[in-house]
Amino acid sequence: SQELEQSPQSLIVQEGKNLTINCTSSKTLYGLYWYKQKYGEGLIFLMMLQKGGEEKSHEKITAKLDEKKQQSSLHITASQPSHAGIYLCGADVDSGGGADGLTFGKGTHLIIQP
Amino acid sequence: DGGITQSPKYLFRKEGQNVTLSCEQNLNHDAMYWYRQDPGQGLRLIYYSQIVNDFQKGDIAEGYSVSREKKESFPLTVTSAQKNPTAFYLCASSRFGLGQILAGVNYEQYFGPGTRLTVT
Repeated sequence: SQELEQSPQSLIVQEGKNLTINCTSSKTLYGLYWYKQKYGEGLIFLMMLQKGGEEKSHEKITAKLDEKKQQSSLHITASQPSHAGIYLCGADVDSGGGADGLTFGKGTHLIIQP
Repeated sequence: DGGITQSPKYLFRKEGQNVTLSCEQNLNHDAMYWYRQDPGQGLRLIYYSQIVNDFQKGDIAEGYSVSREKKESFPLTVTSAQKNPTAFYLCASSRFGLGQILAGVNYEQYFGPGTRLTVT
């Protein structure tokens, strides 16, 4: 079973619009990582969240981890063509500090239309 | 500059041949990981190593082998026993490994650029 559910699977938004990507687990997330990938390339680390209710921002991207530490959302404000790509959430779901490897969602494919 | 490198970027092999993918890091990280990515499936863990001369199977280790003779290197061999070897392979490393779980520490994994392996 998929331990991390990402939604939506794909997303097409008009340039300038806001969007949100969600990452949900039935287990407690001890560390939640957001990555961006251009297809076929390595992952780029965006943000890491650990505490319930934590929120971090980087440029126009904001990520939040809910109080229960079971859901995270990634919000992009005023989207630009450079935001296009695949967004992956990864998490430590066994409290091992990620030492056993992270569990990943299937990714959200984001397309920005001019 | 510190970082993690994988080579080559593209690799082509004939079916039945073993092939080794390189992964090197100069970040002085204890832990290293190999993931495989297939379209629509996200990343899946193949093998990981917390410390030199030790490694553990991940979720899909069958048909793969690894070694960790040096801290900075974690090569992955895709053997002829792997039934669907064509995929994108990502190597990663993180600062801490086994026995070093500390509260509040960032266990961020640093990823290499990946190797796309095509077997025909």
